[in-house]
Amino acid sequence: SQKIEQNSEALNIQEGKTATLTCNYTNYSPAYLQWYRQDPGRGPVFLLLIRENEKEKRKERLKVTFDTTLKQSLFHITASQPADSATYLCALGGSGATNKLIFGTGTLLAVQP
Amino acid sequence: NAGVTQTPKFRILKIGQSMTLQCTQDMNHNYMYWYRQDPGMGLKLIYYSVGAGITDKGEVPNGYNVSRSTTEDFPLRLELAAPSQTSVYFCASSYTAGTTGYNEQFFGPGTRLTVL
Repeated sequence: SQKIEQNSEALNIQEGKTATLTCNYTNYSPAYLQWYRQDPGRGPVFLLLIRENEKEKRKERLKVTFDTTLKQSLFHITASQPADSATYLCALGGSGATNKLIFGTGTLLAVQP
Repeated sequence: NAGVTQTPKFRILKIGQSMTLQCTQDMNHNYMYWYRQDPGMGLKLIYYSVGAGITDKGEVPNGYNVSRSTTEDFPLRLELAAPSQTSVYFCASSYTAGTTGYNEQFFGPGTRLTVL
């Protein structure tokens, strides 16, 4: 069955450093991958989408890479700030026309001032 | 725009009771989804709809029912509540994928349900 793995351990980094979060998947060939941010007690908020034929996508301090050979996506936050502290979810989407997503369990990022 | 709204925010049910979780979106999205999120387990798709009158099962549909009579509303019905349905429920919506590719999902604030 399809499996998505994200770092189960919380990631603690110092303010100003680059945070790198990992999303690995097996038994699936996604057409695209999305990253969401979730704050405690709130619904997820979309950050970035990358398609299977794209290697890298950037948006302000965010960068996502997608390696379909390694079956892995990396999500980077440069010049991290305490306000970036949250849980980050990766989600895989198939080629069907329903926009259905399979979510990973998320990684908690804590940026220390 | 209010986006995706969900009611109630919190609810406690007794085993065997029934209830409906309400979800409304004002973005004219065709696609709507219901997820549950258990601690450390990620979001699991319960049901989804690609338009009014069309619904389909997701990964964990047992114990739930949905209907989609309008574009705006997508209620989730729990019949005979069980402790295993204790969870946080999120409703989401998105644009039709169309020919331009795939689209983000917009999430509501969630309903925290406890079944005792």
